[in-house]
Amino acid sequence: EIVMTQSPATLSVSPGERATLSCRASQSVSSNLAWYQQKPGQAPRLLIYGASTRATGIPARFSGSGSGTEFTLTISSLQSEDFAVYYCQQYNNWTFGQGTKVEIK
Amino acid sequence: EVQLVESGGGLVQPGRSLRLSCAASGFTFDDYAMHWVRQAPGKGLEWVSGISWNSGSIGYADSVKGRFTISRDNAKNSLYLQMNSLRAEDTALYYCAKGDQDSSGPFDYWGQGTLVTVSS
Repeated sequence: EIVMTQSPATLSVSPGERATLSCRASQSVSSNLAWYQQKPGQAPRLLIYGASTRATGIPARFSGSGSGTEFTLTISSLQSEDFAVYYCQQYNNWTFGQGTKVEIK
Repeated sequence: EVQLVESGGGLVQPGRSLRLSCAASGFTFDDYAMHWVRQAPGKGLEWVSGISWNSGSIGYADSVKGRFTISRDNAKNSLYLQMNSLRAEDTALYYCAKGDQDSSGPFDYWGQGTLVTVSS
């Protein structure tokens, strides 16, 4: 099983600042990597797939990068609606990371 | 508009069975893989099982292998999860998620989930 490890567990950021979230795979997943956002009481929402392609309707302030085993999700200027939990997922066999909570500083 | 509506959750005793359903609409159901993902209270996401468009490829997480069975009825635009020998650690919100036309792909739409509670 491919293990996905996200860091940090919690990220405290002020509105308007940049947030950088990391995700590491225990073995190469090529670019088969997605990022999801989940707000309290809501289902997850697909943000990024193919490591760097934004899903339909996702604002340009969200960007993804990386390949192989190291991946990054960057939110360029945090808006109030961006405070949430973010999960990475490799979709060779679909395991998720444990999540990074982005909270207001 | 894509809609996924789960049903069938509830309170069940350990060792008993439960069958979840997911009704899909707004897309050509038999073109896409489908998945079940669960989330225990206060915890992260765990992929449970997935099935290809024609049921030819099926996978399970190790934690449910041998106890859960995924299936689909393309004529009814429906996905199912038969859960047997339930354990307390199966307690979670179970989401139905739409996969890709390729059996390997991200999940672009999710339902709102159905809650399964395993307790005596």
